Amino acid sequence: AQSVTQLGSHVSVSEGALVLLRCNYSSSVPPYLFWYVQYPNQGLQLLLKYTTGATLVKGINGFEAEFKKSETSFHLTKPSAHMSDAAEYFCAVSDLSNTGKLIFGQGTTLQVKP
Amino acid sequence: EADIYQTPRYLVIGTGKKITLECSQTMGHDKMYWYQQDPGMELHLIHYSYGVNSTEKGDLSSESTVSRIRTEHFPLTLESARPSHTSQYLCASSEYMGGMDEQFFGPGTRLTVL
Repeated sequence: AQSVTQLGSHVSVSEGALVLLRCNYSSSVPPYLFWYVQYPNQGLQLLLKYTTGATLVKGINGFEAEFKKSETSFHLTKPSAHMSDAAEYFCAVSDLSNTGKLIFGQGTTLQVKP
Repeated sequence: EADIYQTPRYLVIGTGKKITLECSQTMGHDKMYWYQQDPGMELHLIHYSYGVNSTEKGDLSSESTVSRIRTEHFPLTLESARPSHTSQYLCASSEYMGGMDEQFFGPGTRLTVL
């Protein structure tokens, strides 16, 4: 069965510092991987996704993620954190049936300090 | 404007009441989903639909039911609400892309059962 593990339920960075949110997946086939962001009292919004091809994926708001098959990882990064980046971030993998169903990780809360 | 809507946004209700959470999308997507999300936790799929007259149970067992009579509408019903149903409910939709689907989320309904 597929699964997603996000290391660190809470990450705190200073404004302007590097953001690194970790995601590891388990899948028996090449996965489709997603990062979503959830701002307070809102639904989820897609940041970026990896399907095939280039392993470095660029998303919205300056975020990017790198698919590393050998490490089964899909970590999310942003060079310089902004106060508006404070939110909940979810990593997800498409299930094996490729029906569009997603399996989500536990989420990581990003706090940005001034 | 293409979007996905959920009403009500917040609902406080007494035990034993019947409730219906509304979800509508204007994007013409065939696939729709209901997730349950407890604070600080991952999303759990409770229902999904591939199209009109199609409904399936998700990975998390739920006492709720759903219907899909129209493409744009996917309501969720609890016949007799209990305190254990207190949670946030998120609705999403997607266009089938062979597992690479981007799911679009509504803002959620925060349900409190007293």
